[in-house]
Amino acid sequence: EDQVTQSPEALRLQEGESSSLNCSYTVSGLRGLFWYRQDPGKGPEFLFTLYSAGEEKEKERLKATLTKKESFLHITAPKPEDSATYLCAGGTTSGTYKYIFGTGTRLKVLA
Amino acid sequence: DAGVIQSPRHEVTEMGQEVTLRCKPISGHDYLFWYRQTMMRGLELLIYFNNNVPIDDSGMPEDRFSAKMPNASFSTLKIQPSEPRDSAVYFCASSLGDISNQPQHFGDGTRLSIL
Repeated sequence: EDQVTQSPEALRLQEGESSSLNCSYTVSGLRGLFWYRQDPGKGPEFLFTLYSAGEEKEKERLKATLTKKESFLHITAPKPEDSATYLCAGGTTSGTYKYIFGTGTRLKVLA
Repeated sequence: DAGVIQSPRHEVTEMGQEVTLRCKPISGHDYLFWYRQTMMRGLELLIYFNNNVPIDDSGMPEDRFSAKMPNASFSTLKIQPSEPRDSAVYFCASSLGDISNQPQHFGDGTRLSIL
């Protein structure tokens, strides 16, 4: 069964304390691995798409990486405004189309 | 550019009433998705359309739920009759092109409370 699992469920960091969020996937025929940020009361906001193992993408303090089994979202020297829920999703057309979301990591960055 | 627009933002109604949620996708996008988000189950895909045609509605919980897309710029999700367990945040999203490797763009959702 296709599945996307995120860990940890919640993470509290001090401002400036770098860390990584994990997204493990078992998605047959993965076509894209997506990262989104969701703020309270808002819809998910697209951050990155990764297409193949070894690929990396960066945006400000965020860097996303992809291996054959998992993806990491590295947060370097986070600031309080980075506090949000981070979602990953796998896209596949194996069989019928699927776009499978993980349940997210709630990140809180303390000043 | 305008993003995905959903209305209403909040809806509170009594059990048994009909609820209609509305969505305007990003202009030019050819796919539209309806999701439901709860703390317990996360984001669940309910149904998606391609060029206004429903492609997969296997995520629709039961016959009380229906969705339409009469044109490229408007879609509705209807619940009739509504039940307390339908309380959730409902999101609409749109995308362009190959949906398996293109990002989806979400609206800010409708927070639905059924009393």
